[in-house]
Amino acid sequence: DTEVTQTPKHLVMGMTNKKSLKCEQHMGHRAMYWYKQKAKKPPELMFVYSYEKLSINESVPSRFSPECPNSSLLNLHLHALQPEDSALYLCASSQKGARTEAFFGQGTRLTVV
Amino acid sequence: AQSVTQLGSHVSVSEGALVLLRCNYSSSVPPYLFWYVQYPNQGLQLLLKYTTGATLVKGINGFEAEFKKSETSFHLTKPSAHMSDAAEYFCAVSLTSTGNQFYFGTGTSLTVIP
Repeated sequence: DTEVTQTPKHLVMGMTNKKSLKCEQHMGHRAMYWYKQKAKKPPELMFVYSYEKLSINESVPSRFSPECPNSSLLNLHLHALQPEDSALYLCASSQKGARTEAFFGQGTRLTVV
Repeated sequence: AQSVTQLGSHVSVSEGALVLLRCNYSSSVPPYLFWYVQYPNQGLQLLLKYTTGATLVKGINGFEAEFKKSETSFHLTKPSAHMSDAAEYFCAVSLTSTGNQFYFGTGTSLTVIP
């Protein structure tokens, strides 16, 4: 199994809503990532978890709150988002170490209205 | 800081022609380099990677790339383009100091003309 599964695939939420994005992998990877991708742009790194601990936060606003409940799951909690936060949110995982590639999920297309 | 630069945000080739997508890296030490492909409304799929060893790397779907330290380049090539190759291509670097940080170039959109 070399899949990273993200749910939901599409999400529309209001600016006062609270929602969560979910990501799951069963490859035994100990590093997991959240990326944000705007249209026609490259993915931008948001968070990195290493052994279930947050190791990198790329100055992401606090309205995005990541959580790693166990080694297979990664969540991104969303609260009070702005329309400019509409984007494709990608989850990825990899083995620990710089030589290994990241495996990406299909993404969640988020629209904030 | 390590980074990658992709020259040419849009590349068009005829079906059957050579594909050449350019990527240059900026680093004082050899980095770990990757090429990913993204089809519309999908995630990213790894095409190939360079870590150590052989500098000519073969990937999936007939793609290959050559790591040239003297030119700080990692260009992606395919001898003969197919219609199904039309997609967005990203060069990426993994930082060596801390590991597990993937940063992407700005991307190149490949169009294949029948």
